[in-house]
Amino acid sequence: EPEVTQTPSHQVTQMGQEVILRCVPISNHLYFYWYRQILGQKVEFLVSFYNNEISEKSEIFDDQFSVERPDGSNFTLKIRSTKLEDSAMYFCASSAIGLAATDTQYFGPGTRLTVL
Amino acid sequence: AQKITQTQPGMFVQEKEAVTLDCTYDTSDPSYGLFWYKQPSSGEMIFLIYQGSYDQQNATEGRYSLNFQKARKSANLVISASQLGDSAMYFCAMRGKTGGGNKLTFGTGTQLKVEL
Repeated sequence: EPEVTQTPSHQVTQMGQEVILRCVPISNHLYFYWYRQILGQKVEFLVSFYNNEISEKSEIFDDQFSVERPDGSNFTLKIRSTKLEDSAMYFCASSAIGLAATDTQYFGPGTRLTVL
Repeated sequence: AQKITQTQPGMFVQEKEAVTLDCTYDTSDPSYGLFWYKQPSSGEMIFLIYQGSYDQQNATEGRYSLNFQKARKSANLVISASQLGDSAMYFCAMRGKTGGGNKLTFGTGTQLKVEL
């Protein structure tokens, strides 16, 4: 069964460093998403991406964040200058259609980011 | 704005018993989708079941069923014949066609523990 994959599974970085989190969405899906979950808290939406541009972003997704689909398979989240409060689990998700309320988003296994 | 409320931070159930996890929601969208995800201790987010706001029947998926009461704005997850492997965090989420964009809004989750 097709699945979303994410690398790395765990990333440790120093405050102020740049990190890139990578995702490979399900191959025939058109909409891609990033969510984050701070330890012990609920899952929060960061950004959605369609047709090579951001379709929606939350207030969390400030200028320190960017997303990119550098080729036909990868979808990346970049944090330019990490802060302690960026420590969280980051989930990539994808969906086939995106605009319908009925469209299911499938999540990857997550990347645990630890900022020291 | 959309809101999901899960009032049970933790639940215990005996193996082979049924358990109901509560979820209430608030939205002004006429069309929306309700989703349940399971998050085991390993951290991944696993899609379980979906209910559309216009669906006439309650959704079922194996041992999972969704008790959808539209007038009461509730979408409770029922797990029948609980197994030890059902021990996990369970998140209710919703997605609306308008207003909420194409993002998922999550509740705070319910930690389910299945006991022998």
